[in-house]
This record gives sequence, C-alpha cells and structure tokens, in this order.
Amino acid sequence: TQLLEQSPQFLSIQEGENLTVYCNSSSVFSSLQWYRQEPGEGPVLLVTVVTGGEVKKLKRLTFQFGDARKDSSLHITAAQPGDTGLYLCAGDMAGGFKTIFGAGTRLFVKA
Amino acid sequence: DAGITQSPRHKVTETGTPVTLRCHQTENHRYMYWYRQDPGHGLRLIHYSYGVKDTDKGEVSDGYSVSRSKTEDFLLTLESATSSQTSVYFCAISEREREKLFFGSGTQLSVL
Repeated sequence: TQLLEQSPQFLSIQEGENLTVYCNSSSVFSSLQWYRQEPGEGPVLLVTVVTGGEVKKLKRLTFQFGDARKDSSLHITAAQPGDTGLYLCAGDMAGGFKTIFGAGTRLFVKA
Repeated sequence: DAGITQSPRHKVTETGTPVTLRCHQTENHRYMYWYRQDPGHGLRLIHYSYGVKDTDKGEVSDGYSVSRSKTEDFLLTLESATSSQTSVYFCAISEREREKLFFGSGTQLSVL
C-alpha cells in the first residue's frame, strides 16, 4: 500500500487543455514536493510546499498543499507537449528522516 | 544541473553474481541516497548516508549494502543479485537533511 496515493495514474490530453493531478495520504507531512521525470532521466524538483493551505505558482503550474497537510494537487493550465512526463509527489513526515514518494502520474500531452 | 554521475548506466548480470553501482558527486553535499524505481511503487529508499562512513538502512535494504569512504562517492552493492532486484536505481544528494533532492540519471539493472 502506497503511503502517498497519486491519481490519476495515467492521463492523455490534447494541447491546450487544463488538468489536475492529486496526491493524497492519511498521514501528515511537514513538507511536500513535486518532481517531474522524463524518460531515461532522474526526477527534477519543481516545488516544495510547507504550510497548510499554501499555493505556489510556477508559470502555468499551480501547486496547492492541503490545509491539514495530508494532500496536494498540481494544476496545469493550457498544457503543452513539453509538459509530458511523470509527475511524482514526495512527502517528508514530521519527525522522520526519509522522503516518501508516490507512484506518479504519467502525463502525455498530444500536439 | 547538479554534478551527479552514476555508473554504469546500464548493466545486465546473472542471478547470484555480485554487482556494484557507483554514484559520484561534485557538489560536496553531505547527504547521499540510493533509491530504486519500479512500476507502481514509485521511488523507494534503499540506503542513505549522512557523512563519510555514516550510513543507515532505508525501507527496502535487504540484499543491499553500501559504503561511503569519501564525501563524493557512494557505492551500492548487491552481494548476490536476484531477479527481484531488476530495477532502475537512482542516486540522489542533498545539502541538508530533508532538503530538496538532486537525482542522477539512473542505472538500469537487469538480473537474468
């Protein structure tokens, strides 16, 4: 059982559409990160959120941390083919050392 | 890009043979990690290091050992490879505990 559940697992959309992917848990996290991974490469950090209710924007990407710090969402506006990749959420549990990763959402944006 | 080099990038080996994967960093970061990535499981921590000769187990450490004799190098050894260890292995580094991770490009290991 994944401590961090990501949904959907796979998403295929047309260029220009909006989408939201979710990262949910029953555990509380002191911080949560979103990474993007391309084939044959390691994940690259997009953002870290640390405060419940926090919203961060990175160009067309909007990240939100849930008020209870148990969940997060990533919204992409007007998706482009360059957004194609595997999106991973990762959480740091309060008092713990390791970072827990979700299984990821694989996004494919068609031109 | 963070200076992290993993070697080899690809390896095919037979069951029962020892295998060592290398991670080399040029960032002088204190923390180094080995993860494996499998479909449906995301990234799972194998072992990590918080300094030279200071290592500890992650959540999937059975069958793996690590060594860190220098700040820049972190080795992952499979003493006797099994087919269940077929995976993509990623090394990561961080400057401080639980700070953002920088990942290498991965090693694709196939155990036949």
